[in-house]
Amino acid sequence: QQQVKQSPQSLIVQKGGISIINCAYENTAFDYFPWYQQFPGKGPALLIAIRPDVSEKKEGRFTISFNKSAKQFSLHIMDSQPGDSATYFCAADDTGTASKLTFGTGTRLQVTL
Amino acid sequence: DTAVSQTPKYLVTQMGNDKSIKCEQNLGHDTMYWYKQDSKKFLKIMFSYNNKELIINETVPNRFSPKSPDKAHLNLHINSLELGDSAVYFCASSLKPGENEKLFFGSGTQLSVL
Repeated sequence: QQQVKQSPQSLIVQKGGISIINCAYENTAFDYFPWYQQFPGKGPALLIAIRPDVSEKKEGRFTISFNKSAKQFSLHIMDSQPGDSATYFCAADDTGTASKLTFGTGTRLQVTL
Repeated sequence: DTAVSQTPKYLVTQMGNDKSIKCEQNLGHDTMYWYKQDSKKFLKIMFSYNNKELIINETVPNRFSPKSPDKAHLNLHINSLELGDSAVYFCASSLKPGENEKLFFGSGTQLSVL
């Protein structure tokens, strides 16, 4: 059972454009929603995260938008750069129980010149 | 200094063999994890240890046995390797259970079973 659904699977964006990756979840007990960035040959690294008490969080060019009623959240990368080319994973966690991140299936982002 | 280091980075072996992957973290964290990333990049938790005690054990074949000699180390031993075990295995750590905002991953061990 895929508890966190992520789309698109791959994304090509021109330099300077906006990259948007979407995720939807099913478990209403989830209360922590991070995004991870993974470069080839490396482990995932935390990029930005949000809790459901806010609808948006911004850190530099990266913004998470969160819609609790729709059980959806998305990552926006403004002014996308070639260095942003990586695989992005959304994830969700119910921190009230034995905590374990449930990951989405990943989005491979390529930012072209 | 690498925060979470795992060895080896690459592991190629024959079906039926037994192999181990080692992981060490120098962050002073209490909790360590093993994640498996399959060929489609899907990441799934396998085990979690808090201060040397097992706290999460997902539906993983008992051929996989984690061992935590101390809270800075979590090794993964795999018996009777199968083709389907081929994947990238990531070790990770966090300060405490539930503090996933501080989850740090190692660089992964790519296991290829021939």
